[in-house]
Amino acid sequence: AQSVTQPDIHITVSEGASLELRCNYSYGATPYLFWYVQSPGQGLQLLLKYFSGDTLVQGIKGFEAEFKRSQSSFNLRKPSVHWSDAAEYFCAVGGYGGSQGNLIFGKGTKLSVKP
Amino acid sequence: EAGVVQSPRYKIIEKKQPVAFWCNPISGHNTLYWYLQNLGQGPELLIRYENEEAVDDSQLPKDRFSAERLKGVDSTLKIQPAELGDSAVYLCASSPGQGAGGELFFGEGSRLTVL
Repeated sequence: AQSVTQPDIHITVSEGASLELRCNYSYGATPYLFWYVQSPGQGLQLLLKYFSGDTLVQGIKGFEAEFKRSQSSFNLRKPSVHWSDAAEYFCAVGGYGGSQGNLIFGKGTKLSVKP
Repeated sequence: EAGVVQSPRYKIIEKKQPVAFWCNPISGHNTLYWYLQNLGQGPELLIRYENEEAVDDSQLPKDRFSAERLKGVDSTLKIQPAELGDSAVYLCASSPGQGAGGELFFGEGSRLTVL
């Protein structure tokens, strides 16, 4: 069965420090992979997505993610975190049931940013 | 351009009472989704509509949940009767269609508390 694992429930980083959020997936075919961000009281917003091609994908707000098939991973990175990045981040795999929008989400990683 | 609009934002009811949530997707978006987000978890798909047709409702608990999208635009999700375990955030999302690259646009959610 398809699944997404985000091993870190909560991460705290200092402002200006680099960030990496981990995501591992289980999926029988070539996955569609996504990262969404959810700020308090807000809806989820797409940061970036991977369907095929270049395994390093760039997203909004300075985020990037790298797809590694051999490790079944799709980790999210940012070189320098800003206080406004504090939010909850969800990795998702899509495409089951014949629809790219049928997403299976991980449990999320809450990011706190220290001044 | 207006985003996905959901109402009510918050609802508190007694168990066994009915409750309904409304969603107005982004204009022109043919595909509409209802997701359920329990506390500390990622969203889980309940139902997907293509225009007015429910094409994937395998995860919708049909004994107490129902949904409709009569004219292929706005949608209503109903629970009758509500149980304590239904306390969660109900998220609506829309997308332009299957070929749109899989990006979903989410509303801010309707938070249900069942007492």
